[in-house]
Amino acid sequence: AQSVTQPDIHITVSEGASLELRCNYSYGATPYLFWYVQSPGQGLQLLLKYFSGDTLVQGIKGFEAEFKRSQSSFNLRKPSVHWSDAAEYFCAVASTGANNLFFGTGTRLTVIP
Amino acid sequence: KAGVTQTPRYLIKTRGQQVTLSCSPISGHRSVSWYQQTPGQGLQFLFEYFSETQRNKGNFPGRFSGRQFSNSRSEMNVSTLELGDSALYLCASSLAGVRGGHYGYTFGSGTRLTVV
Repeated sequence: AQSVTQPDIHITVSEGASLELRCNYSYGATPYLFWYVQSPGQGLQLLLKYFSGDTLVQGIKGFEAEFKRSQSSFNLRKPSVHWSDAAEYFCAVASTGANNLFFGTGTRLTVIP
Repeated sequence: KAGVTQTPRYLIKTRGQQVTLSCSPISGHRSVSWYQQTPGQGLQFLFEYFSETQRNKGNFPGRFSGRQFSNSRSEMNVSTLELGDSALYLCASSLAGVRGGHYGYTFGSGTRLTVV
């Protein structure tokens, strides 16, 4: 069965510092993986996605993620965080043979000036 | 290109009532799926419709139902509302039929339902 684990519930970083949000997945075949961001009271915005090919994926807002099959991980990174990046971040995997997503529990990012 | 539109944005209902939420997908998208988001349970899949047919359903009671129209717009209905149904309900549309395809899923801003 598919599942996603985001081990960090809350992360605080200083503005300008680098960021890495962890995501581990459980999936039997090649996964379709996604990172979404959610601002308070809003819907989910797609940051980036991985289907196949290059394991380093570039997304919007300067984010990137690296797919590591050996570690079942798809960690999100950003070299320099901006105050506007404060939000909740969700990692997700698409299900097999169906058209829905399994989400992790999310990581709330706080950015301090 | 217009995004996914959900109406209304906010709703307050009383226990025992029923509610209908609406979702208009991106033009050309035939798949619409619904998710419930709560602080305790996170994001949970409710059901997915493709070409007016429910293809997949999550683990929710029969009080939660939905439908899709020929123009791909979708509605979800919750009958006999309970306090625990208070949540943000999100709709997502996708272009391809399975696994979101290479275009992924686009979410609306959600409907915030409060049951009192």
